Amino acid sequence: GNSVTQMEGPVTLSEEAFLTINCTYTATGYPSLFWYVQYPGEGLQLLLKATKADDKGSNKGFEATYRKETTSFHLEKGSVQVSDSAVYFCALNTDKLIFGTGTRLQVFP
Amino acid sequence: GAVVSQHPSRVICKSGTSVKIECRSLDFQATTMFWYRQFPKQSLMLMATSNEGSKATYEQGVEKDKFLINHASLTLSTLTVTSAHPEDSSFYICSARRGGQGPYEQYFGPGTRLTVT
Repeated sequence: GNSVTQMEGPVTLSEEAFLTINCTYTATGYPSLFWYVQYPGEGLQLLLKATKADDKGSNKGFEATYRKETTSFHLEKGSVQVSDSAVYFCALNTDKLIFGTGTRLQVFP
Repeated sequence: GAVVSQHPSRVICKSGTSVKIECRSLDFQATTMFWYRQFPKQSLMLMATSNEGSKATYEQGVEKDKFLINHASLTLSTLTVTSAHPEDSSFYICSARRGGQGPYEQYFGPGTRLTVT
């Protein structure tokens, strides 16, 4: 069946550090891939998406590239800020959204 | 725009009682609403999908008689956990989608933490 696996957290970084959160998927067909972010006390928000192989989604300095050959969609940011502290969910879409377990990012000044 | 609220944010109830959770789209009309459940350190699991004015469609393994979903208007859906038991303790999240949008274009509520004692 379809599934998403992402790295466990928490990920703890200092401000301006480089961020990578790994995400791999298993799916039949050609799903769309997403990263959602959940800030404390708020609902999940769509951060970025990619709908086909080799697409790069980007938003707010975050990027992720749809790698069909490695079935991956790793989230990266070159320089994190304290305000990026949140839980990040990788997800895929076939006929419904399937989420990974979420990775908590903590950024310290 | 596209704000979804949930009420209550936290609820504690005794085993055997029922509890209702509300999900509202505050500034748009939601033709479809979704209910998810999240256990600690696990992913969000879709429980059911409801379209306004229709019966909800439940995912495999979700007891429809235990988790009653009503989507009576374009801005409100409710989830009632009937005869709650400690194993129903979880984080429940709703999301809402406008008509004509793709399946990933959902706006999520902040969630409701249910604790059954």
